[in-house]
Amino acid sequence: GAVVSQHPSWVICKSGTSVKIECRSLDFQATTMFWYRQFPKQSLMLMATSNEGSKATYEQGVEKDKFLINHASLTLSTLTVTSAHPEDSSFYICSAKGVGGTTTDTQYFGPGTRLTVL
Amino acid sequence: GENVEQHPSTLSVQEGDSAVIKCTYSDSASNYFPWYKQELGKGPQLIIDIRSNVGEKKDQRIAVTLNKTAKHFSLHITETQPEDSAVYFCAASRTPGGFKTIFGAGTRLFVKA
Repeated sequence: GAVVSQHPSWVICKSGTSVKIECRSLDFQATTMFWYRQFPKQSLMLMATSNEGSKATYEQGVEKDKFLINHASLTLSTLTVTSAHPEDSSFYICSAKGVGGTTTDTQYFGPGTRLTVL
Repeated sequence: GENVEQHPSTLSVQEGDSAVIKCTYSDSASNYFPWYKQELGKGPQLIIDIRSNVGEKKDQRIAVTLNKTAKHFSLHITETQPEDSAVYFCAASRTPGGFKTIFGAGTRLFVKA
């Protein structure tokens, strides 16, 4: 139980283009989803928190117009990196918390998306 | 702000030996402490967690201990195997409610065969 998927697992794009990453909770309803960015050999850096049906809350220093987050349903959140540049290349990971049972307190992570911007 | 310190950053052990990773948290209201294992190129996976009303929890070769007074918690892996090699993250949060989970910096564990 408590499985989170991400799509795509990796993506390569040209500078200036936009990329959308999907995060889905497969067997529970995710009332809250989180988006993290991880650089090589570093910890998880929280970018934003989104609750279903409301605007995402971004961490300090994260550009909300560049990293668009939509949490339109209880099983899907999307992160769109707009006008991507090489410095946006990173490993993006989502996680989800739900309601009831272990999903209330625990964040369950997706497998991550490797973004490379050329 | 609140933080979680994790030590050591790198740990190398011989197969069959035990490994211990320690974390200290600053928010005394934290009451939930999960541990995650992250293999290369993958997302973190929950391996064990502990709540503040419990001092120790075991799951086969993995155990976690919590000292609320000292605000310390530790992960113990016994009889380590090469497949235990990964990065381990500790975390602390308050539940219920919309409080942020604070992650440690991670420990890279190498188990030598």
